[in-house]
Amino acid sequence: DADVTQTPRNRITKTGKRIMLECSQTKGHDRMYWYRQDPGLGLRLIYYSFDVKDINKGEISDGYSVSRQAQAKFSLSLESAIPNQTALYFCATSDSYSGNTIYFGEGSWLTVV
Amino acid sequence: AQSVTQLDSQVPVFEEAPVELRCNYSSSVSVYLFWYVQYPNQGLQLLLKYLSGSTLVKGINGFEAEFNKSQTSFHLRKPSVHISDTAEYFCAVGSGGYNKLIFGAGTRLAVHP
Repeated sequence: DADVTQTPRNRITKTGKRIMLECSQTKGHDRMYWYRQDPGLGLRLIYYSFDVKDINKGEISDGYSVSRQAQAKFSLSLESAIPNQTALYFCATSDSYSGNTIYFGEGSWLTVV
Repeated sequence: AQSVTQLDSQVPVFEEAPVELRCNYSSSVSVYLFWYVQYPNQGLQLLLKYLSGSTLVKGINGFEAEFNKSQTSFHLRKPSVHISDTAEYFCAVGSGGYNKLIFGAGTRLAVHP
């Protein structure tokens, strides 16, 4: 089983709909992240959380929100999806003992039509 | 602010040939440097990382990278590539005590028989 699990892995949604991407981890890490990957742009940080009570905006947080329900769970929401949010989304984790290494989930493909 | 530039978006190479994927970074503080690999339809996997110490870092699958502070570079090399090395490679930079990485746009390595 994967240490960082994302659901759903693929989703097609309509413009204006609310969509939630969920992430859970079994690594016991306190830090969790949401990244977005677009061709030619690499990965860009949307939000990050260093513990359950800590939420921080990343480079591209507009149009997104997050919730850290527990140390192991971090969800990303698009309140009103738009087509340019079509992308591959990655959840990731780390902790202060992981040598600054970030561990990624397998990604969630989101298509907004 | 930190940034990462991967100088080649695509690198075609024949099997068993050597390869170098170039990465330059900018930062006003001490940095940590990483190379991640993404195989088709998968998440990102850590290849190697530089935190401190020896500037030549060896990673998995026969890859290595050299940290050059004066040239602000962290190029990835492999002396002899295999078909299975076909993937996208991402360079990333982080700093300070927080695991917040900035990624480059990626280099797509295509190994041909």
